Amino acid sequence: EAGVAQSPRYKIIEKRQSVAFWCNPISGHATLYWYQQILGQGPKLLIQFQNNGVVDDSQLPKDRFSAERLKGVDSTLKIQPAKLEDSAVYLCASSLRGDRGFLMNTEAFFGQGTRLTVV
Amino acid sequence: AQKITQTQPGMFVQEKEAVTLDCTYDTSDPSYGLFWYKQPSSGEMIFLIYQGSYDQQNATEGRYSLNFQKARKSANLVISASQLGDSAMYFCAMRGGNYGGSQGNLIFGKGTKLSVKP
Repeated sequence: EAGVAQSPRYKIIEKRQSVAFWCNPISGHATLYWYQQILGQGPKLLIQFQNNGVVDDSQLPKDRFSAERLKGVDSTLKIQPAKLEDSAVYLCASSLRGDRGFLMNTEAFFGQGTRLTVV
Repeated sequence: AQKITQTQPGMFVQEKEAVTLDCTYDTSDPSYGLFWYKQPSSGEMIFLIYQGSYDQQNATEGRYSLNFQKARKSANLVISASQLGDSAMYFCAMRGGNYGGSQGNLIFGKGTKLSVKP
């Protein structure tokens, strides 16, 4: 079974530039997450999709971050314009979701992440 | 609000010895799940073990076991017979019930860096 695919693995941009990250979840996984992991910290949720609908984007800085999941499969996360504090690893994860809501013991499967450096 | 606390920024253990990584949590949900993930230097988060709030027995998965003390709100990870390949960051995470917090979102602690010495 193929895992969660992310690209690119690394990206260096200047502040005020834009950048986009791509994620392809595990086939059949309805739930997709984007997490931001700043150096020395645990991952923090940016946005959660259920199929192609947004479930939670309360921690997404919407003035500069946007995300979409067209057709309920692949997803793209964009930052425009980037700031120095956006330097982090951006992790994509996916999960199955039960018919009656979330299965409590359903683990999330993570990709290898995209390491973004804003200079 | 849900919160995970990992108070050990770094730990050292001798190869073949056991090590315990601490995790405490805070939640008002009666139903929740606790997870441990391993993150090697390659960056990928690898699922290790799961404990449900209503599980009567502590979870075990090979060399990993979870010391779950519900009254103390702790879920410590025990790694037995440490191997050099166990050197990595370890994160404790929690998923709350659908009636509290995000639906299915995992909330992570800050992690513990484990170094296994030969």
